[in-house]
Amino acid sequence: EAGVTQFPSHSVIEKGQTVTLRCDPISGHDNLYWYRRVMGKEIKFLLHFVKESKQDESGMPNNRFLAERTGGTYSTLKVQPAELEDSGVYFCASSQPITGELFFGEGSRLTVL
Amino acid sequence: AQRVTQPEKLLSVFKGAPVELKCNYSYSGSPELFWYVQYSRQRLQLLLRHISRESIKGFTADLNKGETSFHLKKPFAQEEDSAMYYCALRGAGFQKLVFGTGTRLLVSP
Repeated sequence: EAGVTQFPSHSVIEKGQTVTLRCDPISGHDNLYWYRRVMGKEIKFLLHFVKESKQDESGMPNNRFLAERTGGTYSTLKVQPAELEDSGVYFCASSQPITGELFFGEGSRLTVL
Repeated sequence: AQRVTQPEKLLSVFKGAPVELKCNYSYSGSPELFWYVQYSRQRLQLLLRHISRESIKGFTADLNKGETSFHLKKPFAQEEDSAMYYCALRGAGFQKLVFGTGTRLLVSP
């Protein structure tokens, strides 16, 4: 069974540009999470989808970040325009049921120059 | 507020030595505590959770509500235990995990 997949694995962009990260959760997992790890800091929660609905987006840093999960399948996280402080590793995780184990993707490393 | 503190960024031990990775938490209710591990070039994965009371790969962790701690222990470290370890908390009624900053464990031969 395929695990959580994320694309791209690494993206290097310039400040002001746009980047879209994609996450494909494990098939059948209704719960999808986005997390971010900035160098030297904790893995920080960004938001949680249940199917296509945003259950909790309290961790989204600001309105430059937009997450979607069309049809309750894959999810995208767009950063527009990117700033230097957005650099980090963005992790996606999925679970089923909601209190179950989180299965993580390998992460998408974003470098903003 | 929910917070997880891992005071050590790096813990370096020799093979066969005991290991204790510290984790303290701040939460007013009854939390669920986890340890996640990321081995080199692998994805983050669940190591153990306090409610299951299991020993995984020789590791154990006991939730101490009085000291608000969930330290991870192993009596005899192995080289393959070298990895990044994250303590995480999930509060009652919440679905998201709150992670600590992680501790890198390095086990030398």
